[in-house]
Amino acid sequence: GAGVSQSPRYKVAKRGQDVALRCDPISGHVSLFWYQQALGQGPEFLTYFQNEAQLDKSGLPSDRFFAERPEGSVSTLKIQRTQQEDSAVYLCASSLEDRPLYNEQFFGPGTRLTVL
Amino acid sequence: GENVEQHPSTLSVQEGDSAVIKCTYSDSASNYFPWYKQELGKGPQLIIDIRSNVGEKKDQRIAVTLNKTAKHFSLHITETQPEDSAVYFCAASIISGGYNKLIFGAGTRLAVHP
Repeated sequence: GAGVSQSPRYKVAKRGQDVALRCDPISGHVSLFWYQQALGQGPEFLTYFQNEAQLDKSGLPSDRFFAERPEGSVSTLKIQRTQQEDSAVYLCASSLEDRPLYNEQFFGPGTRLTVL
Repeated sequence: GENVEQHPSTLSVQEGDSAVIKCTYSDSASNYFPWYKQELGKGPQLIIDIRSNVGEKKDQRIAVTLNKTAKHFSLHITETQPEDSAVYFCAASIISGGYNKLIFGAGTRLAVHP
């Protein structure tokens, strides 16, 4: 079946521009995560959704970052007034359970954001 | 908060040799330890995981060991093949708000030479 998809795969933005990154989780998956992966580093947690509810946004680095999942399926990560330090790969992951204590997180291919 | 350290950062082996990657974690409350493989241009893929009530788990050529006292866990790959070449990440899970928040290590780039 279809896995987690993300679009666009690559995004180049000029400093100060706003960007929107899309994630389509696996159908039926309740939980959705966003991660930021800097070059040569592991993924870092940004935010977590259970259906449409954003239960944890403690990893969002600033108020320029905003995520939503209005209908409990597709999610969008928005970055306002992009800065060079926002350059990274943004990964989305989904998990079947609503309280995924031990359940596998399935990752998408990521969106590589480059801010010039 | 939780911190995960991973070593080595790069590992080069000959085909057929074994590879070992080691991780340490800081929070004794961590209770779930997955390992992910990331190939170029792709997202991480789970290859094996272990829970804190288990000391060792094996799946074909891959095994993971956990030492809760020392807060160490390791990935062992035997009979390595060129297709094992990738970046491997360990992670430790903190139960937060009823779900597992994953804290990742910095990764190990494994190269298997034919």
